[in-house]
Amino acid sequence: GAGVSQSPSNKVTEKGKDVELRCDPISGHTALYWYRQSLGQGLEFLIYFQGNSAPDKSGLPSDRFSAERTGGSVSTLTIQRTQQEDSAVYLCASSTGFSNQPQHFGDGTRLSIL
Amino acid sequence: DQQVKQNSPSLSVQEGRISILNCDYTNSMFDYFLWYKKYPAEGPTFLISISSIKDKNEDGRFTVFLNKSAKHLSLHIVPSQPGDSAVYFCAAKRNSGYALNFGKGTSLLVTP
Repeated sequence: GAGVSQSPSNKVTEKGKDVELRCDPISGHTALYWYRQSLGQGLEFLIYFQGNSAPDKSGLPSDRFSAERTGGSVSTLTIQRTQQEDSAVYLCASSTGFSNQPQHFGDGTRLSIL
Repeated sequence: DQQVKQNSPSLSVQEGRISILNCDYTNSMFDYFLWYKKYPAEGPTFLISISSIKDKNEDGRFTVFLNKSAKHLSLHIVPSQPGDSAVYFCAAKRNSGYALNFGKGTSLLVTP
């Protein structure tokens, strides 16, 4: 079946602009996660959605970052007034939501802020 | 604060030999551990996982060993193949948590 789908695959934008990144999880997966990977670093957790529960936003680095998940499926990560340090690969993952089940990742969006 | 550490940034192994990738963690609350493989321009692909109630899990050529007392896990690939060349990430999750904590990765090169 289809895996996690992310779009766009690449995004180049000017500092100060807003960007939206999209994630379509694996069908039937109730849990959805956003991570980012900066150059030479491991993946850093950003936000977690589980079903209709309130998301855990504890990993978001600033209030310029927000995310929503509509209808328990597709998610959008929005970065307002982008800064150069926001340049990274943004990865989305989904899982069944059951304990100790692996998260499955999309191919990410490579964001470059000029 | 890096709670999951992969101290070898790179490893080179000959085809057919064993590859051993190591990972250390500091948080004793971690109870589920995973290895992911990542090719350039692709997302991480889940390889194998282990729960803290076990000390070994095997799947084909891949075996993960967990030493809880040493807070150490390792991934063994036997025999190594050129297609195994990729970056390998170790990840860990706290009990009742959901966010994965990742190491910085080890780049494995398997030479013919």
